Amino acid sequence: QVQLVQSGAEVKKPGASVRVSCKTSAYPFTDYYMHWVRQAPGQGLEWIGWIDPNSGVTNLIQRFQGRVTLTRDTSISTAYMELSRLRSNDTAVYYCARILPTDYGDYPDYWGQGTLVTVSS
Amino acid sequence: QSVLTQPPSASGTPGQRVTISCSGSSPNIGSNTVNWYQQLPGTAPKVLIFSNNQRPSGVPDRFSGSKSDTSASLAVSGLQSEDEADYYCAAWDDSLNGWVFGGGTKLTVL
Repeated sequence: QVQLVQSGAEVKKPGASVRVSCKTSAYPFTDYYMHWVRQAPGQGLEWIGWIDPNSGVTNLIQRFQGRVTLTRDTSISTAYMELSRLRSNDTAVYYCARILPTDYGDYPDYWGQGTLVTVSS
Repeated sequence: QSVLTQPPSASGTPGQRVTISCSGSSPNIGSNTVNWYQQLPGTAPKVLIFSNNQRPSGVPDRFSGSKSDTSASLAVSGLQSEDEADYYCAAWDDSLNGWVFGGGTKLTVL
């Protein structure tokens, strides 16, 4: 059974950094891209970026470049998302999602349960 | 302000057919395929439709998607109470070099 299990909720002060982990199991970790998406309370979805766990190559949407770092540890099949210089409007649930490639296009078939990051002074 | 535009709400009675629209522009829907997500309260999103009109295994054929030029739509036929959820469209945007989402549509089953 494929599983993506994320780390627990975090409370951080403005200006701090947070790292969210996404531990995977029951599939070859390096064979599937991992995407990160966030959702502020009561708001819609916002895509952050992806990482190729095989090569470590990442792609971030422009607004997160310079503040987000995506990494992975292949020895423990875990992906990480680190967000620095936190602001109050970074308060959101952060999701990791595995991307399934198909002949018609890619889509996220398995998701983590989400990690609530609260930024508050 | 979302890049893709969806109506904030939609509704229907059990058994009815409801459609949800998603409007974009040339660099996103005009150039790439569209995915549709369903999100139940307190849960992660789930893909209902990918590549405009493809259903992952396990998704009922009551859900269908279509795309024309820079717009897409999701249709839900034979509406059921369990379809009450938020629905999001998404597409790759060539100018932003990333996925963009609609603001979401809350579907209410009356």
